[in-house]
Amino acid sequence: AQTVTQSQPEMSVQEAETVTLSCTYDTSENNYYLFWYKQPPSRQMILVIRQEAYKQQNATENRFSVNFQKAAKSFSLKISDSPLGDTAMYFCAFNAGAGSYQLTFGKGTKLSVIP
Amino acid sequence: GAVVSQHPSRVICKSGTSVKIECRSLDFQATTMFWYRQFPKKSLMLMATSNEGSKATYEQGVEKDKFLINHASLTLSTLTVTSAHPEDSSFYICSARDASRGNIGNQPQHFGDGTRLSIL
Repeated sequence: AQTVTQSQPEMSVQEAETVTLSCTYDTSENNYYLFWYKQPPSRQMILVIRQEAYKQQNATENRFSVNFQKAAKSFSLKISDSPLGDTAMYFCAFNAGAGSYQLTFGKGTKLSVIP
Repeated sequence: GAVVSQHPSRVICKSGTSVKIECRSLDFQATTMFWYRQFPKKSLMLMATSNEGSKATYEQGVEKDKFLINHASLTLSTLTVTSAHPEDSSFYICSARDASRGNIGNQPQHFGDGTRLSIL
């Protein structure tokens, strides 16, 4: 079974600054997928960024980028130039691939952007 | 982009009532939908995988007779909480997978807005 660990229950960042959220996972799979989801106070889960394990290049999506360390099973999210609207819960999620569409979520990190 | 509609957004009802929650994919076909439960300040716990035209697959510890799932069409899955009690109060979220996307890496899941269920 896969596990996803987010060791930071809460984080804060000054508006327009940069913050990094950590995520580690445990799996015996080799080809899998990793995701970061954002859940703002409005509650809808929004996909922020995704990474295929077979790709060495770190994924980037505008202000969001990841540091994917496959050997260390680490998948951190870097948010740059944070606006107030980035205040939300951020969940790291894992999918084992191989025809499985289930997601395993971490416990989340509550990010507060401070004016 | 793809949208998933979940209804109702909030339900308050008396203990013993059965409550139905709908999850619709609005502009894509979803052969697979997922139902999650989220406790305050906690992660999403997968309850069951809903498959169009077949029985749902429940996760360990989830009572299938308590949480009835029906996925009768490619755009609609329903979760019915039968004879709800206060301990069933929670936030329920559905998600749907776009059937036209063969690789989960292309487009994993689209989530509904969630349903806040409060049993008095």
